[in-house]
Amino acid sequence: AQSVTQPDIHITVSEGASLELRCNYSYGATPYLFWYVQSPGQGLQLLLKYFSGDTLVQGIKGFEAEFKRSQSSFNLRKPSVHWSDAAEYFCAVGDQNSGYALNFGKGTSLLVTP
Amino acid sequence: DGGITQSPKYLFRKEGQNVTLSCEQNLNHDAMYWYRQDPGQGLRLIYYSQIVNDFQKGDIAEGYSVSREKKESFPLTVTSAQKNPTAFYLCASSIQLGSEKLFFGSGTQLSVL
Repeated sequence: AQSVTQPDIHITVSEGASLELRCNYSYGATPYLFWYVQSPGQGLQLLLKYFSGDTLVQGIKGFEAEFKRSQSSFNLRKPSVHWSDAAEYFCAVGDQNSGYALNFGKGTSLLVTP
Repeated sequence: DGGITQSPKYLFRKEGQNVTLSCEQNLNHDAMYWYRQDPGQGLRLIYYSQIVNDFQKGDIAEGYSVSREKKESFPLTVTSAQKNPTAFYLCASSIQLGSEKLFFGSGTQLSVL
């Protein structure tokens, strides 16, 4: 069965520290991969996406993610976290067979401390 | 500016009552979607529409209904059959079904009185 797993429910990092949010997927076909960010009471904003090509993708707000097919992972990273990055982060996966219905992970809540 | 507008931002429902959540987009997108978000859960697909006058059930369609009479509008009705309606509802659209990018509205928080 197709699935998306975000192993970490909550993550706390200090401002200025590096960040990595994990995402693992289980899909039969070549996946389309996305990271979205959600601020409290808001909709979701697309940070970055991977369809094909270079496995290291750059997104907005200084985020990047790397697609590792051998590990079925698409982890989100940022070298230096800012207090404004505190939010809920969702990994989402689709494919050519079901691309109309992105499968979302349960989310990781990021807390940034001074 | 183009975008997706959901209204109201907060909505309360009495037991046994039907309520309708509005979603309007001026992006000229063909595809529209409704997702439900519960605390500690990912987004789950309720209904989606590929084009006007067409819509399909998602993973959790029971207790919900939709219509797509106009390209820009995709209202969601939460019926009395939905026994656990309290959730945050997000509407989204994309240029076409399967497009790489979903644009999301700001959501409606529905609570039961």
